[in-house]
Amino acid sequence: QSALTQPASVSGSPGQSITISCTGTSSDIGGYNYVSWYQHHPGKAPKLIIYDVSKRPSGVSNRFSGSKSGNTASLTISGLQAEDEADYYCRSYTLSASLGFGRGTKLTVL
Amino acid sequence: QVQLVESGGGVVQPGRSLRLSCAASGFTFSSYGMHWVRQAPGKGLEWVAVISYDGSNKYYADSVKGRFTISRDNSKNTLYLQVSSLRAEDTAVYYCAKAEGYCSSTSCHVYFFDYWGHGTLVTVSS
Repeated sequence: QSALTQPASVSGSPGQSITISCTGTSSDIGGYNYVSWYQHHPGKAPKLIIYDVSKRPSGVSNRFSGSKSGNTASLTISGLQAEDEADYYCRSYTLSASLGFGRGTKLTVL
Repeated sequence: QVQLVESGGGVVQPGRSLRLSCAASGFTFSSYGMHWVRQAPGKGLEWVAVISYDGSNKYYADSVKGRFTISRDNSKNTLYLQVSSLRAEDTAVYYCAKAEGYCSSTSCHVYFFDYWGHGTLVTVSS
Protein backbone atom coordinates (compact mmCIF):
# COMPACT_ATOMS: atom_id res chain seq x y z
CA GLN A 1 0.00 0.00 0.00
CA SER A 2 2.78 2.42 -0.79
CA ALA A 3 0.02 3.95 -2.95
CA LEU A 4 -1.43 5.61 0.16
CA THR A 5 -0.23 9.19 -0.02
CA GLN A 6 0.45 11.25 3.07
CA PRO A 7 2.19 14.61 3.41
CA ALA A 8 5.77 14.18 4.54
CA SER A 9 5.37 16.70 7.32
CA VAL A 10 2.90 18.94 9.08
CA SER A 11 3.35 21.36 11.93
CA GLY A 12 1.30 23.33 14.40
CA SER A 13 1.53 25.31 17.59
CA PRO A 14 0.32 24.08 20.97
CA GLY A 15 -3.44 24.40 21.27
CA GLN A 16 -4.02 24.47 17.54
CA SER A 17 -5.64 21.77 15.42
CA ILE A 18 -3.94 19.99 12.54
CA THR A 19 -5.17 17.55 9.94
CA ILE A 20 -3.17 14.83 8.20
CA SER A 21 -4.56 13.49 4.95
CA CYS A 22 -4.18 10.01 3.51
CA THR A 23 -5.18 9.51 -0.13
CA GLY A 24 -5.78 6.13 -1.70
CA THR A 25 -8.10 4.68 -4.29
CA SER A 26 -11.51 3.12 -4.57
CA SER A 27 -9.81 -0.25 -4.00
CA ASP A 28 -8.72 0.65 -0.51
CA ILE A 29 -9.81 3.77 1.36
CA GLY A 30 -12.76 4.51 -0.90
CA GLY A 31 -14.06 0.96 -0.90
CA TYR A 32 -14.07 0.07 2.79
CA ASN A 33 -14.56 1.66 6.18
CA TYR A 34 -11.40 0.12 7.59
CA VAL A 35 -8.93 2.98 7.74
CA SER A 36 -6.56 2.96 10.69
CA TRP A 37 -4.01 5.45 12.00
CA TYR A 38 -0.88 4.83 14.05
CA GLN A 39 1.22 7.15 16.19
CA HIS A 40 4.90 6.32 16.41
CA HIS A 41 7.32 8.04 18.73
CA PRO A 42 10.94 7.19 17.79
CA GLY A 43 12.23 4.32 19.86
CA LYS A 44 8.80 3.33 21.09
CA ALA A 45 6.13 0.89 20.02
CA PRO A 46 3.74 2.18 17.35
CA LYS A 47 0.29 2.82 18.78
CA LEU A 48 -3.13 2.39 17.20
CA ILE A 49 -5.04 5.65 17.63
CA ILE A 50 -7.89 5.33 15.13
CA TYR A 51 -9.52 2.27 13.56
CA ASP A 52 -12.53 1.70 11.35
CA VAL A 53 -12.12 5.28 10.03
CA SER A 54 -13.22 7.08 13.18
CA LYS A 55 -13.19 4.78 16.21
CA ARG A 56 -10.79 5.36 19.07
CA PRO A 57 -9.34 2.49 21.10
CA SER A 58 -9.85 2.66 24.83
CA GLY A 59 -7.42 5.09 26.42
CA VAL A 60 -6.79 7.20 23.32
CA SER A 61 -7.48 10.89 23.83
CA ASN A 62 -10.61 12.32 22.24
CA ARG A 63 -8.36 15.02 20.78
CA PHE A 64 -7.70 12.49 18.03
CA SER A 65 -10.44 12.01 15.45
CA GLY A 66 -10.69 10.37 12.06
CA SER A 67 -12.88 10.80 9.02
CA LYS A 68 -13.13 9.82 5.39
CA SER A 69 -14.44 11.37 2.21
CA GLY A 70 -14.23 9.41 -0.99
CA ASN A 71 -10.72 8.05 -1.41
CA THR A 72 -9.16 10.32 1.23
CA ALA A 73 -9.02 9.72 4.95
CA SER A 74 -8.05 12.34 7.49
CA LEU A 75 -6.66 12.39 11.00
CA THR A 76 -7.36 15.52 13.04
CA ILE A 77 -5.56 16.32 16.26
CA SER A 78 -7.12 19.14 18.24
CA GLY A 79 -5.63 21.05 21.16
CA LEU A 80 -2.14 20.15 19.96
CA GLN A 81 0.29 19.19 22.73
CA ALA A 82 4.04 18.75 22.74
CA GLU A 83 3.62 15.02 23.35
CA ASP A 84 1.77 14.71 20.03
CA GLU A 85 5.02 15.28 18.16
CA ALA A 86 5.56 11.94 16.42
CA ASP A 87 5.25 10.14 13.11
CA TYR A 88 1.75 9.20 11.97
CA TYR A 89 0.91 6.40 9.55
CA CYS A 90 -2.32 5.50 7.85
CA ARG A 91 -3.34 2.23 6.31
CA SER A 92 -6.47 0.72 4.84
CA TYR A 93 -7.96 -2.69 4.42
CA THR A 94 -7.87 -3.84 0.81
CA LEU A 95 -8.63 -7.04 -1.02
CA SER A 96 -5.42 -6.69 -2.99
CA ALA A 97 -3.60 -8.37 -0.10
CA SER A 98 -1.23 -5.46 0.25
CA LEU A 99 -0.45 -5.13 3.92
CA GLY A 100 1.63 -1.99 3.85
CA PHE A 101 1.32 1.46 5.34
CA GLY A 102 1.31 5.00 4.06
CA ARG A 103 4.73 6.63 3.92
CA GLY A 104 4.16 8.44 7.19
CA THR A 105 3.80 12.06 8.25
CA LYS A 106 6.12 13.77 10.70
CA LEU A 107 4.22 16.07 13.03
CA THR A 108 6.21 18.90 14.55
CA VAL A 109 4.78 20.87 17.45
CA LEU A 110 6.28 24.33 17.19
CA GLN B 1 -2.99 -6.26 29.47
CA VAL B 2 -1.58 -7.22 26.09
CA GLN B 3 2.18 -7.39 25.95
CA LEU B 4 4.46 -8.19 23.05
CA VAL B 5 8.17 -8.40 23.81
CA GLU B 6 10.67 -8.90 21.01
CA SER B 7 14.19 -10.23 21.41
CA GLY B 8 17.02 -11.72 19.40
CA GLY B 9 18.30 -8.70 17.52
CA GLY B 10 21.93 -7.75 17.26
CA VAL B 11 24.81 -6.96 14.94
CA VAL B 12 25.35 -9.56 12.26
CA GLN B 13 27.52 -9.81 9.16
CA PRO B 14 26.00 -9.81 5.68
CA GLY B 15 24.88 -13.26 4.63
CA ARG B 16 24.44 -14.52 8.18
CA SER B 17 21.27 -15.39 10.08
CA LEU B 18 19.38 -14.52 13.25
CA ARG B 19 16.20 -15.71 14.90
CA LEU B 20 13.94 -13.06 16.33
CA SER B 21 11.36 -13.92 18.97
CA CYS B 22 8.23 -12.22 20.22
CA ALA B 23 6.77 -13.33 23.54
CA ALA B 24 3.05 -12.60 23.80
CA SER B 25 0.83 -12.32 26.85
CA GLY B 26 -2.51 -10.86 27.90
CA PHE B 27 -4.58 -12.35 25.09
CA THR B 28 -5.39 -15.71 23.52
CA PHE B 29 -2.34 -15.90 21.29
CA SER B 30 -3.55 -18.97 19.39
CA SER B 31 -6.61 -17.08 18.13
CA TYR B 32 -4.87 -14.30 16.22
CA GLY B 33 -2.78 -13.80 13.14
CA MET B 34 0.55 -12.20 13.95
CA HIS B 35 2.84 -9.99 11.92
CA TRP B 36 6.36 -8.68 11.71
CA VAL B 37 6.81 -5.06 10.64
CA ARG B 38 10.14 -3.30 10.37
CA GLN B 39 11.47 0.24 10.21
CA ALA B 40 14.82 0.95 8.63
CA PRO B 41 16.75 4.02 9.78
CA GLY B 42 15.09 7.15 8.47
CA LYS B 43 12.35 5.17 6.72
CA GLY B 44 8.70 4.40 7.36
CA LEU B 45 7.01 1.25 8.54
CA GLU B 46 7.37 -1.73 6.21
CA TRP B 47 5.25 -4.83 6.61
CA VAL B 48 7.43 -7.97 6.52
CA ALA B 49 5.45 -11.15 7.15
CA VAL B 50 2.25 -12.63 8.55
CA ILE B 51 1.28 -15.99 9.98
CA SER B 52 -2.29 -17.13 10.55
CA TYR B 53 -3.55 -18.05 13.99
CA ASP B 54 -2.79 -21.74 13.52
CA GLY B 55 0.35 -21.37 11.45
CA SER B 56 -1.21 -22.84 8.33
CA ASN B 57 -0.86 -19.68 6.24
CA LYS B 58 2.27 -17.58 5.89
CA TYR B 59 2.91 -14.66 3.57
CA TYR B 60 5.89 -12.41 3.02
CA ALA B 61 6.84 -9.07 1.52
CA ASP B 62 8.62 -9.47 -1.80
CA SER B 63 11.73 -7.88 -0.30
CA VAL B 64 12.21 -10.80 2.14
CA LYS B 65 10.57 -13.73 0.34
CA GLY B 66 12.84 -16.75 0.27
CA ARG B 67 15.15 -15.34 2.96
CA PHE B 68 12.88 -14.88 5.99
CA THR B 69 10.68 -17.49 7.65
CA ILE B 70 7.87 -16.71 10.07
CA SER B 71 6.68 -19.31 12.55
CA ARG B 72 4.87 -19.59 15.85
CA ASP B 73 4.61 -21.88 18.85
CA ASN B 74 1.15 -21.52 20.32
CA SER B 75 2.09 -23.68 23.31
CA LYS B 76 4.71 -21.08 24.23
CA ASN B 77 2.76 -17.99 23.10
CA THR B 78 5.75 -17.05 20.99
CA LEU B 79 6.18 -15.73 17.46
CA TYR B 80 9.43 -16.14 15.53
CA LEU B 81 11.15 -14.67 12.52
CA GLN B 82 14.15 -16.49 11.10
CA VAL B 83 16.08 -13.92 9.11
CA SER B 84 18.70 -15.37 6.76
CA SER B 85 20.98 -14.24 3.95
CA LEU B 86 20.94 -10.84 5.58
CA ARG B 87 21.72 -7.72 3.60
CA ALA B 88 22.62 -4.22 4.66
CA GLU B 89 19.14 -3.09 3.67
CA ASP B 90 17.64 -5.45 6.26
CA THR B 91 19.04 -3.21 9.00
CA ALA B 92 15.97 -2.10 10.91
CA VAL B 93 13.99 -2.26 14.09
CA TYR B 94 11.74 -5.29 13.85
CA TYR B 95 8.34 -5.10 15.54
CA CYS B 96 5.85 -7.85 16.13
CA ALA B 97 2.23 -6.84 15.94
CA LYS B 98 -1.12 -8.40 16.69
CA ALA B 99 -3.80 -7.78 14.12
CA GLU B 100 -7.52 -8.02 13.67
CA GLY B 101 -8.09 -9.64 10.31
CA TYR B 102 -8.25 -12.96 8.56
CA CYS B 103 -6.30 -15.24 6.24
CA SER B 104 -7.41 -17.25 3.27
CA SER B 105 -5.53 -19.80 1.23
CA THR B 106 -4.13 -17.07 -0.96
CA SER B 107 -3.58 -14.06 1.28
CA CYS B 108 -4.11 -12.41 4.63
CA HIS B 109 -6.10 -9.24 5.19
CA VAL B 110 -5.83 -6.86 8.09
CA TYR B 111 -8.45 -4.51 9.43
CA PHE B 112 -5.98 -2.94 11.84
CA PHE B 113 -2.93 -3.68 13.98
CA ASP B 114 -4.04 -3.19 17.56
CA TYR B 115 -0.94 -4.01 19.60
CA TRP B 116 2.75 -3.67 18.91
CA GLY B 117 5.95 -4.58 20.69
CA HIS B 118 8.81 -2.15 21.31
CA GLY B 119 10.95 -3.77 18.69
CA THR B 120 14.36 -5.39 18.40
CA LEU B 121 17.18 -3.85 16.38
CA VAL B 122 18.93 -5.84 13.69
CA THR B 123 22.08 -4.28 12.29
CA VAL B 124 23.70 -5.91 9.27
CA SER B 125 27.27 -4.78 8.97
CA SER B 126 30.66 -6.22 8.19
